[in-house]
Amino acid sequence: AQSVTQPDIHITVSEGASLELRCNYSYGATPYLFWYVQSPGQGLQLLLKYFSGDTLVQGIKGFEAEFKRSQSSFNLRKPSVHWSDAAEYFCAVGPHNNAGNMLTFGGGTRLMVKP
Amino acid sequence: KAGVTQTPRYLIKTRGQQVTLSCSPISGHRSVSWYQQTPGQGLQFLFEYFSETQRNKGNFPGRFSGRQFSNSRSEMNVSTLELGDSALYLCASSPLKGGGRNTEAFFGQGTRLTVV
Repeated sequence: AQSVTQPDIHITVSEGASLELRCNYSYGATPYLFWYVQSPGQGLQLLLKYFSGDTLVQGIKGFEAEFKRSQSSFNLRKPSVHWSDAAEYFCAVGPHNNAGNMLTFGGGTRLMVKP
Repeated sequence: KAGVTQTPRYLIKTRGQQVTLSCSPISGHRSVSWYQQTPGQGLQFLFEYFSETQRNKGNFPGRFSGRQFSNSRSEMNVSTLELGDSALYLCASSPLKGGGRNTEAFFGQGTRLTVV
């Protein structure tokens, strides 16, 4: 069964500092990987996705993520955090075949930004 | 293009009652998925519909059910509500059948259900 682990429940960074959110997955084949962001009381917004090819993917709002097959990881990074980035971030894995669109999510990482 | 619309946004129900939540996907999207989000269990997949057929189902009791209409709008129903059903219920729509490069789920803002 597929699973996603986000080891850090909470992370606090200073505004302007760099950010890395960790994500490890377990999946029997090459997965489709996603990062979503959720602001309080809101739905999920897609930041970026990885299907194949270049292992470094660029997303919206200045985020990027790197797929490392050897480490089963898909960490999210941002070089300089803004106060508006404070939110909860979810890593997710989806099926690579035609089985559907269901996603398996990690537990989330809540990001707090210090002024 | 309008996004995924979920109604109502907030709902308060009493234990034992039943509830129906609605989701209108993005125009042209034929796949609709439902998720339950709680502080304790996180985001959990409920079920997915494509062209009015349930394709996948998560590990939830039979009290949770859904359906999809010919216009791709979807409803989910929870019968005999329990306190533990209090959650944010999220709907997501996708344009394709799944598994392809363009697989992407667009989420609505959710329905906050409180069971008292």
